[in-house]
Formats: sequence, structure tokens, C-alpha cells
Amino acid sequence: GENVEQHPSTLSVQEGDSAVIKCTYSDSASNYFPWYKQELGKRPQLIIDIRSNVGEKKDQRIAVTLNKTAKHFSLHITETQPEDSAVYFCAAGADRGSTLGRLYFGRGTQLTVWP
Amino acid sequence: DAGVIQSPRHEVTEMGQEVTLRCKPISGHDYLFWYRQTMMRGLELLIYFNNNVPIDDSGMPEDRFSAKMPNASFSTLKIQPSEPRDSAVYFCASSLRAAFGTQYFGPGTRLTVL
Repeated sequence: GENVEQHPSTLSVQEGDSAVIKCTYSDSASNYFPWYKQELGKRPQLIIDIRSNVGEKKDQRIAVTLNKTAKHFSLHITETQPEDSAVYFCAAGADRGSTLGRLYFGRGTQLTVWP
Repeated sequence: DAGVIQSPRHEVTEMGQEVTLRCKPISGHDYLFWYRQTMMRGLELLIYFNNNVPIDDSGMPEDRFSAKMPNASFSTLKIQPSEPRDSAVYFCASSLRAAFGTQYFGPGTRLTVL
């Protein structure tokens, strides 16, 4: 099955700096890559996603990039703010095959933004 | 829509007791997922359903765990008998479609087994 690796497990940045979280996947059939944010004591919520026919997607201060050849994708947060502090999960899924509908999650990155 | 609803929000029980967690997916969603989250193991998929039919239960830890979805608006996850290592936050999620479908998570049930 699919295996998603996520790095780093913890990340501390100063407010205003950028943060980058990287993930790799193993199954070339994966073509959907969402990112979820989970604040302390809350549920994971989708913040951005990217499909394999797109190399980059941006939404205000967050962006995702995808390199299908290398099987890795990244989350970029610019101008970080204290409210960005949370655990971020990457995931991978496929739109066909026996695992249709299923997402494989990374282990998460605890991002702390210091004011 | 109220979103995915889970009950109870917190459950404290003693080892050996039966525990039943409940989930109501978003109306119209045809996929339902049960996840378990712990510090040690992260977010694990236990089982998921499509149109009330279990598709993949390979994540269910052992026979003590069982899940049902008797209709499109209700699912249960049962642990019998419960053990301290089952202590975790259990999330239910639902999605409208399989391909590129956003999974919406419920608030979770925090289970503590003493």
C-alpha cells in the first residue's frame, strides 16, 4: 500500500518567517494530495489540496508544490502568524483502484510560531 | 449542515467494559471513515464504508473492534472488551465522493480506558 513520510516532525519559526513541510509518497498511482491543519484539541480540517495535473497551487499565504517524478510534495506558509501554530498533516490518495476513497496520512508536523 | 456529529465527546470506562462510539455523517455523503489518533501512532484509518458497505477494515486492530453502518446516516464503532491501550481520540469523517473528495472530520471522541 501507499506510504507517506512527513518531515520535520516539529518546526519552530519566528512570526513573519516562512515555514516549509515536506512529504514523500511511494505509490505512483496517488494523484490527490490534501493538507490538513489540526489545532490543539480540535479536528483536522482541510486547508489546501493539489491534484497531480498541477505542479503548484496557492491560496493567500499558503502554497503547495508537487513533484510527481520525485514523488514529493510540500506545504509552504509565508509570513507566519501565531495562529498558524498547529499540527499539519499531509495525505495522499488515488482516484481509482482498490484504494479509491482512502487517504494515507503522514505522521504530522507540529508547527510553533513564536511572536 | 451541522457537519459530522459524534457522540459521546468524552468517554471514561474501565478495562473490560464495552464501548460504543457513534457517528452521523454529513447528509448526502456516501463515504464514512473511522480514524484513531494517538501520539505514538498518529492518525490511523481503522475502517471505511461506501454506501454503508465496509470497503477496507484492514486497519481494525483486532477482533475486539467492530464497526457497523446500518444506514446512510449512522455508524457505530464498538470495542469489546476495552483495554487501556485503546485510549485515544476516535474521529469519524465523511466525504461526498471518492475521487478528490474532501474528508470532513467530526469533533472526535476522547476515550480513556482505566
